[in-house]
Amino acid sequence: EVQLVESGGGLIQPGGSLRLSCAASGFTVSSNYMSWVRQAPGKGLEWVSVIYSGGSTYYADSVKGRFTISRDNSKNTLYLQMNSLRAEDTAVYYCARDQGFHYGMDVWGQGTTVTVSS
Amino acid sequence: QSVLTQPPSVSGAPGQRVTISCTGSSSNIGAGYDVHWYQQLPGTAPKLLIYGNSNRPSGVPDRFSGSKSGTSASLAITGLQAEDEADYYCQSYDSSLSVPVVFGGGTKLTVL
Repeated sequence: EVQLVESGGGLIQPGGSLRLSCAASGFTVSSNYMSWVRQAPGKGLEWVSVIYSGGSTYYADSVKGRFTISRDNSKNTLYLQMNSLRAEDTAVYYCARDQGFHYGMDVWGQGTTVTVSS
Repeated sequence: QSVLTQPPSVSGAPGQRVTISCTGSSSNIGAGYDVHWYQQLPGTAPKLLIYGNSNRPSGVPDRFSGSKSGTSASLAITGLQAEDEADYYCQSYDSSLSVPVVFGGGTKLTVL
C-alpha cells in the first residue's frame, strides 16, 4: 500500500528547532518529487518546499533560509528541518508525493502539528 | 493573498450542480500550467480530486469534473451529495515567482 506517515511535530518555543519526518511505504521517495505543505489553524493550504528526484530543492519565501528539506534514501524518508521557528509557522504540516506538473500531489500523509508558542 | 483566487464559499442543495472558480494570471494558469484540485473533508488531509485540468484519479466519482480556459479553471460538482461538503483547493505553478507551486485560497462547499 502506498502510504506516507509524518512524525516529529510538537510544541516548541519561538526561535527553536524541530525536524519533521515523513516515512514512505509502497514507493521510493528518491524517485519522486516530494513536497511539504502546511495549513495554519483555520486557514488554507500553503506550499512550503519541494525536493525533486534529482535533488534540487525549492522553498516558499516565508521559510527560505530557515527550513531545509532532505531525504534519507536508505530509510525511504523525507525530512523538514525547521530552524528559527516563529509563531506564524504554527500549522499542520503535510508531506505529499508530487507527481509533477501534469499529475499533481497524489499521495498525502495524515499531517503532523507544529505549535510555536512560549 | 493567494496567487490563485477562489470564492471563499459556495453552496447548493442536494442534487444540484455547483461550480468553483480558480482565477490566475498569465504567469500561472494562463502560461499553460496544469491545474489540479484537492478536496479536504473536515479534519482530514487533502485528497487529489482532479489532475491535469480535467482528469479524475481512480475512485473519484464522475460527478466531479474540471476544466480550464485562459487564465482560469473551474471545478464542477453535479448531483450534489451531503458527503461533498468540504473545502476545495486549486493548485498550479507559477513562472514569475521564486516558488514553483501555488495554491488557491480554498472554497468551502456547504450542502444545504
